[in-house]
Amino acid sequence: AAGVIQSPRHLIKEKRETATLKCYPIPRHDTVYWYQQGPGQDPQFLISFYEKMQSDKGSIPDRFSAQQFSDYHSELNMSSLELGDSALYFCASSLGGGTNYEQYFGPGTRLTVT
Amino acid sequence: AQSVSQHNHHVILSEAASLELGCNYSYGGTVNLFWYVQYPGQHLQLLLKYFSGDPLVKGIKGFEAEFIKSKFSFNLRKPSVQWSDTAEYFCAFLLTGGGNKLTFGTGTQLKVEL
Repeated sequence: AAGVIQSPRHLIKEKRETATLKCYPIPRHDTVYWYQQGPGQDPQFLISFYEKMQSDKGSIPDRFSAQQFSDYHSELNMSSLELGDSALYFCASSLGGGTNYEQYFGPGTRLTVT
Repeated sequence: AQSVSQHNHHVILSEAASLELGCNYSYGGTVNLFWYVQYPGQHLQLLLKYFSGDPLVKGIKGFEAEFIKSKFSFNLRKPSVQWSDTAEYFCAFLLTGGGNKLTFGTGTQLKVEL
């Protein structure tokens, strides 16, 4: 079965650079979630989109922005990168934006900021 | 603030031993509860979930969990672990009516020795 696809899988950037992470949900899934997992930490919710509209927002820095496109893929844009942004960024998708819909996770993008 | 606590950060067991991982959540309302597993180098996978009904839920790979509302707990159990169960286990919850973001615990690293 098709899964959530994230690209790139690994990304190395320098401080103050920008990065764009992409997420392709499971076909027919209309909801996308972004989570950040720092080294040795639990995943923290950043932001979610349902039917191309932002549906919920968590602890996402103002330097980050995200959107969901007409084909339901999503991009997380990160500017003025800081060392503390080094983390594993997970995308998840679900069918429907309610709380009873299982979220399927992608393999993650490991971002390293040097 | 709503939170999830996992009491055991590192657990080492021998094959065939029984497993119980503790999870407590802090919220007075209705929640949906999940256990996710993250095998080394892989993405988060859903083990089991509780929305309502029978508080004893069975998941994949022989895992089960019991929701005890009076104790705000959702402990994960497996009668006999295998070496292939070596992974990190995350408890998480969704607030019903409170958006669709997952709040994760800090995770428990399980190592099963032969």
